[in-house]
Amino acid sequence: SQQGEEDPQALSIQEGENATMNCSYKTSINNLQWYRQNSGRGLVHLILIRSNEREKHSGRLRVTLDTSKKSSSLLITASRAADTASYFCATDAEDGGSQGNLIFGKGTKLSVKP
Amino acid sequence: DTGVSQNPRHKITKRGQNVTFRCDPISEHNRLYWYRQTLGQGPEFLTYFQNEAQLEKSRLLSDRFSAERPKGSFSTLEIQRTEQGDSAMYLCASSLVLGQPGNQPQHFGDGTRLSIL
Repeated sequence: SQQGEEDPQALSIQEGENATMNCSYKTSINNLQWYRQNSGRGLVHLILIRSNEREKHSGRLRVTLDTSKKSSSLLITASRAADTASYFCATDAEDGGSQGNLIFGKGTKLSVKP
Repeated sequence: DTGVSQNPRHKITKRGQNVTFRCDPISEHNRLYWYRQTLGQGPEFLTYFQNEAQLEKSRLLSDRFSAERPKGSFSTLEIQRTEQGDSAMYLCASSLVLGQPGNQPQHFGDGTRLSIL
């Protein structure tokens, strides 16, 4: 079963705009990760945020984590056409669940138009 | 290129045939994972290895599926008597786990896309 649920399922914006994707999960976690997947390719790790962190930045990416609401958001600022991809959040399971494998949501499909 | 390598990239086979996929992880990584991804969904965990030991298998991994990592390096995933429902992208990932397992990013290959006719 899938732990995370991304919202929205699809997002279409113009180049230069910001894109915000949200993720909700069900169980307690050690950390939450965001991945990007270009069509027909594997997943690329973007950023990891630990359960005791509230916000993390990496270049044009900003991730927030609210463990009380079991939710996270990924913000991509000043988007580019090359950001067009599917974005997935993934969690481990702190509450006696699997040791190390990731549980993915269904993803948000982002389209950035030039 | 020192990333995760998967072969073949595409496999088309008839229902009932056996197929085998190979994954070569990043060389110093001790953990290797297999996931399955269907269209419009996120990857779903199948199994993982710590060195050569297979430590966990998902309920998705029926008895027609078997995975090996004989020398703790490359891994193979075999599907016997393939069914239509096996059509999916099979992804391999690896990571270096020294402490808390869940705190490591995983590095993915580009997958093997399996199509069952």
